[in-house]
Amino acid sequence: AQSVTQLGSHVSVSEGALVLLRCNYSSSVPPYLFWYVQYPNQGLQLLLKYTSAATLVKGINGFEAEFKKSETSFHLTKPSAHMSDAAEYFCASGDSGAGSYQLTFGKGTKLSVIP
Amino acid sequence: DAGITQSPRHKVTETGTPVTLRCHQTENHRYMYWYRQDPGHGLRLIHYSYGVKDTDKGEVSDGYSVSRSKTEDFLLTLESATSSQTSVYFCAISLDGEQYFGPGTRLTVT
Repeated sequence: AQSVTQLGSHVSVSEGALVLLRCNYSSSVPPYLFWYVQYPNQGLQLLLKYTSAATLVKGINGFEAEFKKSETSFHLTKPSAHMSDAAEYFCASGDSGAGSYQLTFGKGTKLSVIP
Repeated sequence: DAGITQSPRHKVTETGTPVTLRCHQTENHRYMYWYRQDPGHGLRLIHYSYGVKDTDKGEVSDGYSVSRSKTEDFLLTLESATSSQTSVYFCAISLDGEQYFGPGTRLTVT
């Protein structure tokens, strides 16, 4: 079974500082990997996804993530935090061989941005 | 916008009563999913469907049933609601391996 671990349930950064949200996955087959963002009282919105085409994936709102197979990691970064980035972020893994496209989610990291 | 709506958006019900949540999609997607979201647990899959009348269990299916009699509607039923089922419920569809989520239903069981 797949599992996704997000290190840090809560991360605080200053406005303008680097954002780094950590995600590690376990999978016996090459996974599909995703980052989602959830703003308060809203559903989840897809930020970016990795599907083996390129190890560095660029997403919306200036976010990007790098797939590192040797470290089984897919960390999310943004060079300069903005107040509007405050939200909860979820990493998810999908089995590329499964027909049901099921996703396994991490427990989430809540990002606070300090003015 | 994946054209997903959920109803009701908020519901308060008493322990032991049946509850049905509805997910409706407008774009004929084959795969649909029901998740629950709880603090500290992320999203956990309850049930999913891969076509009309085709459903399967997820990670936390106990106490829940689903039905899909039409492509556009996926219903989640709590036969006898318990306080442990107080949660936010999200429906999702799959498009090219990506999942897109509805706005959620906040259910409180008193």
